[in-house]
Amino acid sequence: GQNIDQPTEMTATEGAIVQINCTYQTSGFNGLFWYQQHAGEAPTFLSYNVLDGLEEKGRFSSFLSRSKGYSYLLLKELQMKDSASYLCAVTDSNYQLIWGAGTKLIIKP
Amino acid sequence: ETGVTQTPRHLVMGMTNKKSLKCEQHLGHNAMYWYKQSAKKPLELMFVYNFKEQTENNSVPSRFSPECPNSSHLFLHLHTLQPEDSALYLCASSHRTSGEFVYNEQFFGPGTRLTVL
Repeated sequence: GQNIDQPTEMTATEGAIVQINCTYQTSGFNGLFWYQQHAGEAPTFLSYNVLDGLEEKGRFSSFLSRSKGYSYLLLKELQMKDSASYLCAVTDSNYQLIWGAGTKLIIKP
Repeated sequence: ETGVTQTPRHLVMGMTNKKSLKCEQHLGHNAMYWYKQSAKKPLELMFVYNFKEQTENNSVPSRFSPECPNSSHLFLHLHTLQPEDSALYLCASSHRTSGEFVYNEQFFGPGTRLTVL
């Protein structure tokens, strides 16, 4: 079967750095997305990786290793507004998005 | 209106009721999706429409009935639901490209929080 694994919950301190990991086993691979979802709101796009390596976008970076079936999302200079769930999703061979259950990130002052 | 809109935002219904969820996208996309989101579970894809044609139906019970009258509008008709159907129902849209490379970024609406009593 297809599977996306990510930690259920993480806690970090304002101003610090946090890394959210995602491992996947899917039938085919056509890219990996990270989305942010605040409580009661729609998921919104953060990043996309299709080739190995690091993609940087301001305070957020996303890394992909296709050979290891592994990605991480790195958040720097954490702010209280970063408290949210972070969803990892992989596009499979049928071009459907397979979703992880999300990681709830709690930021403490 | 911009992006993807959904109505109603909240819905409480009994098991014998019939109701409909509405989704509208203002992005010119050619694909639309219904997802179910339950607490601490992955997003569950329910239905996919490409150019108004249904292309995916992931073993969804018949008490959920989708309708896509045009590429901008998507409905989910509900009847005789069960309490375990209580969840957040998300609509999304994307521009599905063809060929070797497919970039499938999906844009989501705010969802309808459904409670079945």
